Amino acid sequence: DTVLTQSPALAVSPGERVSISCRASEGVNSYMHWYQQKPGQQPKLLIYKASNLASGVPARFSGSGSGTDFTLTIDPVEADDTATYFCQQSWNDPDTFGAGTKLELK
Amino acid sequence: EVKLVESGGGLVQPGRSLKLSCAASGFSFNDYWMGWVRQAPGKGLEWIGEINQDSSTINYTPSLKDKFTISRDNAQNTLYLQMSKLGSEDTAIYYCAREGYYSLDYWGQGVMVTVSS
Repeated sequence: DTVLTQSPALAVSPGERVSISCRASEGVNSYMHWYQQKPGQQPKLLIYKASNLASGVPARFSGSGSGTDFTLTIDPVEADDTATYFCQQSWNDPDTFGAGTKLELK
Repeated sequence: EVKLVESGGGLVQPGRSLKLSCAASGFSFNDYWMGWVRQAPGKGLEWIGEINQDSSTINYTPSLKDKFTISRDNAQNTLYLQMSKLGSEDTAIYYCAREGYYSLDYWGQGVMVTVSS
């Protein structure tokens, strides 16, 4: 299976820019997607196919990358962005998720 | 408005079976692939599998292929997950999700399954 590696946690101040990385153990083309999950809620799609903003998602969120290295950027970060962010690849079978990056605000 | 509502969860004894349902509304159900994802308490997301529009293609994560069965009823706009030989490791919140743009673009609120004697 394709292993997706994310840093476990980040802490930033409101108004700053934050980049959350996801590295795949093998190439996934551009088939990397990003989700936000707040405590007690279901995940919400933010970015699909590496860089496409999902419907209704603020333009503060953006995605980049291809192959094995991908980045979710939030600029500027707001207090409401406190959440866990997961990457998912759908290029190789089976689909897999990263372990998640918990974003905390200082 | 796209809506996905899971049901059928609860407490189940080890070794038993359980069938989850996901009622879909607000979109043309038979036009979309659908999938299931689970999340153990305090853990990350695990992709279970997916089913295409006419049920001719069903994919599973290999470790669950012999335990779980995904099906759908397009006439009832409902997705199912049949789970068998349940163990404590299957305790999790189970989400159904619609596949869009090769991702999971809409998720249900999830249903809790607890496997315990």
